[in-house]
Amino acid sequence: AQKVTQAQTEISVVEKEDVTLDCVYETRDTTYYLFWYKQPPSGELVFLIRRNSFDEQNEISGRYSWNFQKSTSSFNFTITASQVVDSAVYFCALKGSGTYKYIFGTGTRLKVLA
Amino acid sequence: GAVVSQHPSRVICKSGTSVKIECRSLDFQATTMFWYRQFPKQSLMLMATSNEGSKATYEQGVEKDKFLINHASLTLSTLTVTSAHPEDSSFYICSARIGNDPQGNTIYFGEGSWLTVV
Repeated sequence: AQKVTQAQTEISVVEKEDVTLDCVYETRDTTYYLFWYKQPPSGELVFLIRRNSFDEQNEISGRYSWNFQKSTSSFNFTITASQVVDSAVYFCALKGSGTYKYIFGTGTRLKVLA
Repeated sequence: GAVVSQHPSRVICKSGTSVKIECRSLDFQATTMFWYRQFPKQSLMLMATSNEGSKATYEQGVEKDKFLINHASLTLSTLTVTSAHPEDSSFYICSARIGNDPQGNTIYFGEGSWLTVV
């Protein structure tokens, strides 16, 4: 069975702090894909990143960085120098091979306070 | 990135009536579209997968006669909530997979539609 766990339900930080959102997944597939999406209060889901299971290289995009570790089945997301506009619900998702079905975690609500 | 548009963004309907939500891929052909439902402060639940020109595949527990999905073209899928009841009130969001995307593994989401049944 496939599963995505986002243990942090809600996180509050003060602007300019760094924050890490955790994501732990379970799958028996050897090839799979991991995603992060941002859902601001308006509701739409914004694609942030996709990572293939065979590529463990970490990635940095501006203030965003992702740490993919197969050994611990984790795909954590760090926002550096957080801003109020980062306030949103962030979802981690998993897609196995041979399917287009995404398994979403329960989301982490991030509140960045000015 | 790819653009998926939903309409209407918000709709209020009376109990017992039907309401249609449209999902369009604006700058690409979407051979596969997905419909999700999200209850307040909860995760997304996949309702069904629709492929252009064929019947939708519904997830377990989703009533196909209540949630009618039509994917008549490569750029349009519709979700019709029939005989709506207050418990159908929710956020419905569609997503689409690019038909000729060599990666083929990223889906793009619409803006979502808030349905309130009164």
